Amino acid sequence: GAVVSQHPSRVICKSGTSVKIECRSLDFQATTMFWYRQFPKKSLMLMATSNEGSKATYEQGVEKDKFLINHASLTLSTLTVTSAHPEDSSFYICSADAGAERTDTQYFGPGTRLTVL
Amino acid sequence: QKEVEQDPGPLSVPEGAIVSLNCTYSNSAFQYFMWYRQYSRKGPELLMYTYSSGNKEDGRFTAQVDKSSKYISLFIRDSQPSDSATYLCATSYSSASKIIFGSGTRLSIRP
Repeated sequence: GAVVSQHPSRVICKSGTSVKIECRSLDFQATTMFWYRQFPKKSLMLMATSNEGSKATYEQGVEKDKFLINHASLTLSTLTVTSAHPEDSSFYICSADAGAERTDTQYFGPGTRLTVL
Repeated sequence: QKEVEQDPGPLSVPEGAIVSLNCTYSNSAFQYFMWYRQYSRKGPELLMYTYSSGNKEDGRFTAQVDKSSKYISLFIRDSQPSDSATYLCATSYSSASKIIFGSGTRLSIRP
């Protein structure tokens, strides 16, 4: 199957700092990537849709100035959590649309666990 | 009403049993139906996907979609302890559109 990586896998930071999470499609090009957040024992909630070369589309209730998304190439999207607070602690997961290159669905990264102290 | 409804469980069955996991959805415009398996502290892993109605089988796993009743099912035959995980049903309008997940069912297979 298609491989999507995320880095870092785990990060602990102090309140007020910014954290950048990378999502890479390793063996295919992804014009669209998605960012999800998952709280413990809860399902994945879509935060934003990221298209290469254009601004991300955010879901209702997600602050675009707090969660900065950049999709600079067909294999890389980044999510920056700015001025992180303890309530931002969560499991962040990206997915990438492989489109016509692969089976017709999205592939997920392994996730990044963010803990804000 | 949630777009995708799934019983969160937990569901516990003995090893070797047939497991039936189910979801319902509300929007008849959904075309893609997926099942993901998620182990604790890991990202979701795609198990099965189906376009429109019908059955799809892959080894011990069978996915069924009944668009007339808006019902999605996943059957696991000869269940193994390694199948213990959270199973998420999901749907979308197309491969490039956002995926809407059910709440996930926690499954435990007892040795």
